[in-house]
Amino acid sequence: AQRVTQPEKLLSVFKGAPVELKCNYSYSGSPELFWYVQYSRQRLQLLLRHISRESIKGFTADLNKGETSFHLKKPFAQEEDSAMYYCAHTSGTYKYIFGTGTRLKVLA
Amino acid sequence: DAGVIQSPRHEVTEMGQEVTLRCKPISGHDYLFWYRQTMMRGLELLIYFNNNVPIDDSGMPEDRFSAKMPNASFSTLKIQPSEPRDSAVYFCASSPYSAGGSTDTQYFGPGTRLTVL
Repeated sequence: AQRVTQPEKLLSVFKGAPVELKCNYSYSGSPELFWYVQYSRQRLQLLLRHISRESIKGFTADLNKGETSFHLKKPFAQEEDSAMYYCAHTSGTYKYIFGTGTRLKVLA
Repeated sequence: DAGVIQSPRHEVTEMGQEVTLRCKPISGHDYLFWYRQTMMRGLELLIYFNNNVPIDDSGMPEDRFSAKMPNASFSTLKIQPSEPRDSAVYFCASSPYSAGGSTDTQYFGPGTRLTVL
């Protein structure tokens, strides 16, 4: 079965430190990977998707098919990055599989 | 544009009661999704529709759950009878059709926080 694994429920880092939120997926075909973010009292929203290959709010994510990973990275964390982050995967259909989420806390 | 609209925002009910959650997708979007969010299981897809037709309901946990989309601008998720383990935040999302062969962005509603006592 298709699965998305986010091993960390909570990740705390200090402001200015690098951040890496881990995401692994299980799918043998050509996946589409996404990161969605939910800031406090805001709606869940798309942060970035692998096919766009862009950096949003300083975050990047590279699809590594060999390791079946799509880790989210930012070189210098900001306090406003504190939020709930979900990795998601589809296999070309509209059936999204989300991970269990990682809460990022950026400490001052 | 108000985005995806969900009602009610909060619902507290007693075990055994019927609960109906409502969703209005963004106009023009072809896809509508219902999700359940819990601490333990994260965000789970319950069911999704394409042009008002249910495409995949494999995530619906039990027969107590049902979803309908009578027209392009309205969908309901019903739980009958409700149980305490149904307590969660239920999200509705909609998405436009993507002609490029890849799936498009999902736009989420604010969610309905359901508490079953």
